[in-house]
Amino acid sequence: DAGITQSPRHKVTETGTPVTLRCHQTENHRYMYWYRQDPGHGLRLIHYSYGVKDTDKGEVSDGYSVSRSKTEDFLLTLESATSSQTSVYFCAINHRDRGKDDYGYTFGSGTRLTVV
Amino acid sequence: GQQLNQSPQSMFIQEGEDVSMNCTSSSIFNTWLWYKQDPGEGPVLLIALYKAGELTSNGRLTAQFGITRKDSFLNISASIPSDVGIYFCALIKAAGNKLTFGGGTRVLVKP
Repeated sequence: DAGITQSPRHKVTETGTPVTLRCHQTENHRYMYWYRQDPGHGLRLIHYSYGVKDTDKGEVSDGYSVSRSKTEDFLLTLESATSSQTSVYFCAINHRDRGKDDYGYTFGSGTRLTVV
Repeated sequence: GQQLNQSPQSMFIQEGEDVSMNCTSSSIFNTWLWYKQDPGEGPVLLIALYKAGELTSNGRLTAQFGITRKDSFLNISASIPSDVGIYFCALIKAAGNKLTFGGGTRVLVKP
């Protein structure tokens, strides 16, 4: 499996402060994703990237921005954190570029963010 | 947007029992995926289904892709304590290879 790490694993921040979460992968996969997980909602897509500097919005993108300046790193930024953004955030990579029959996605271990 | 309904939301199971959960979508898709999430970890792929009617097993897990291509179920046979976790169904949207997840089924095993 591709190496995928998220940092930090846990963070507590105050309302109104900026926060950046980092996702790092080691196998040059093209597609990377940020999801948030909340009780009763499963995982919902925030933003995704299909290459360096190529990103697009998911279903819950308001209040979030992303950047991908290198293949291996995908950053999620909360410009001004709000309590509604308290959640567990997961990064994922898609293996599809390894071959058309590989539909695998690998998820990081998550970042638990609390906005107080 | 895409509606993906998963049921039940949670269940307590007796060790050794067989259990079943299912997902339905409001649209037709070509791929169904089933994931399991252990506490404190990200989801891990269990089974992928690519064709209507397909029945696929992975150890004690069996999943089927419904004939209408709008539903799928996952069965766990002979439950054991390590089956505890949250199970998600998911669909792939071709544009951007994006996953859409169901709300999850939380499985708890009675001691």
